[in-house]
Amino acid sequence: DTAVSQTPKYLVTQMGNDKSIKCEQNLGHDTMYWYKQDSKKFLKIMFSYNNKELIINETVPNRFSPKSPDKAHLNLHINSLELGDSAVYFCASSQGGGRNLYEQYFGPGTRLTVT
Amino acid sequence: AQKITQTQPGMFVQEKEAVTLDCTYDTSDPSYGLFWYKQPSSGEMIFLIYQGSYDQQNATEGRYSLNFQKARKSANLVISASQLGDSAMYFCAMREGLNAGNMLTFGGGTRLMVKP
Repeated sequence: DTAVSQTPKYLVTQMGNDKSIKCEQNLGHDTMYWYKQDSKKFLKIMFSYNNKELIINETVPNRFSPKSPDKAHLNLHINSLELGDSAVYFCASSQGGGRNLYEQYFGPGTRLTVT
Repeated sequence: AQKITQTQPGMFVQEKEAVTLDCTYDTSDPSYGLFWYKQPSSGEMIFLIYQGSYDQQNATEGRYSLNFQKARKSANLVISASQLGDSAMYFCAMREGLNAGNMLTFGGGTRLMVKP
């Protein structure tokens, strides 16, 4: 009964390739996110998306694009991969309400290595 | 300017002792939330505790408590009776505003090492 799942867990690919990372949440949340954690463990938001609005962190290159086939999925597509894209990518989801308002539940992460 | 600052890159604590992890934040929004997450070596992000800007009392969750000092803009995490399993990276994060779409801004993290 995994709450937020990501596939694949590890992804090794060459520069210039296009790849996707999938994320699914079964919590019924209305908002999903993508974060990037670099080699120094610094976590940075990339996107926030609900069925109404996509919010993009201005520092994210346009090679990165989120795609949401439905409310429970937010996939991350990356074009023309570069060495600097190597990182761990986390998907998260949240829903308003409750004691811990807008608490975000994180997926297990996808370690992307670009060679 | 950094929105979330964690000044301790690494800390040691003796098992069974209490430890405080520092976090200061910067926002002009009167409505915000502060979060602490734990990231063990296995890599997953585990939610620990939340403090809302309008909460009158400091948040507590089991052995975790948040020392919220609004005027100083600090939200330190206190872990009582440290256990070996507490060894991990700890991240402070902030959500600004009340919109569910607001994203979390994370600090640089503190690596806590619990000594037996």
